[in-house]
Amino acid sequence: GESVGLHLPTLSVQEGDNSIINCAYSNSASDYFIWYKQESGKGPQFIIDIRSNMDKRQGQRVTVLLNKTVKHLSLQIAATQPGDSAVYFCAENVGGTSYGKLTFGQGTILTVHP
Amino acid sequence: DGGITQSPKYLFRKEGQNVTLSCEQNLNHDAMYWYRQDPGQGLRLIYYSQIVNDFQKGDIAEGYSVSREKKESFPLTVTSAQKNPTAFYLCASLTGRSGANVLTFGAGSRLTVL
Repeated sequence: GESVGLHLPTLSVQEGDNSIINCAYSNSASDYFIWYKQESGKGPQFIIDIRSNMDKRQGQRVTVLLNKTVKHLSLQIAATQPGDSAVYFCAENVGGTSYGKLTFGQGTILTVHP
Repeated sequence: DGGITQSPKYLFRKEGQNVTLSCEQNLNHDAMYWYRQDPGQGLRLIYYSQIVNDFQKGDIAEGYSVSREKKESFPLTVTSAQKNPTAFYLCASLTGRSGANVLTFGAGSRLTVL
């Protein structure tokens, strides 16, 4: 039968605001986490990653926070721009396995209004 | 330009037909992956290969087959045994060198079964 798509979480912000996208991960053995950005009809693009021995990592305009106690990951985007509008996925990898074997979250739609 | 090339971008198939999606990379990456994406969902791993002439099943391998005869190429065949093949298919590659664990994705191939 036909599968029904899930309704993705959405976040709408004004240009220039800061955005925070949250992700709950499932496997307490995961030790590597990564955020991807996917624009419509394209493949995912790497944004930032973090290993489990860290709780914060900063990139250009982006920060990832990791809370292993509650298995929560967040992506903060500073001064959000219309070009940031996309679907954002978090993904996790269990240590000791191929780093390309990622378990992805369902994604969050970010819409930035000019 | 280094990258991953997937073809065709769009493909239509009648029920009962096998189709093969092409994935070529010139990044000299060791490992290659196939993911499937359905509307409103994250990516799910179909098959992966960490070295030429070797590949492993991912989470949803049933109805799919792959080969890895060359380092640069990792074609995916969607067989008639795949019950719900309509989806967006993404190929990715990963260098095996320590410290470089980011998946690089192609632009994807959209398969529609008529």
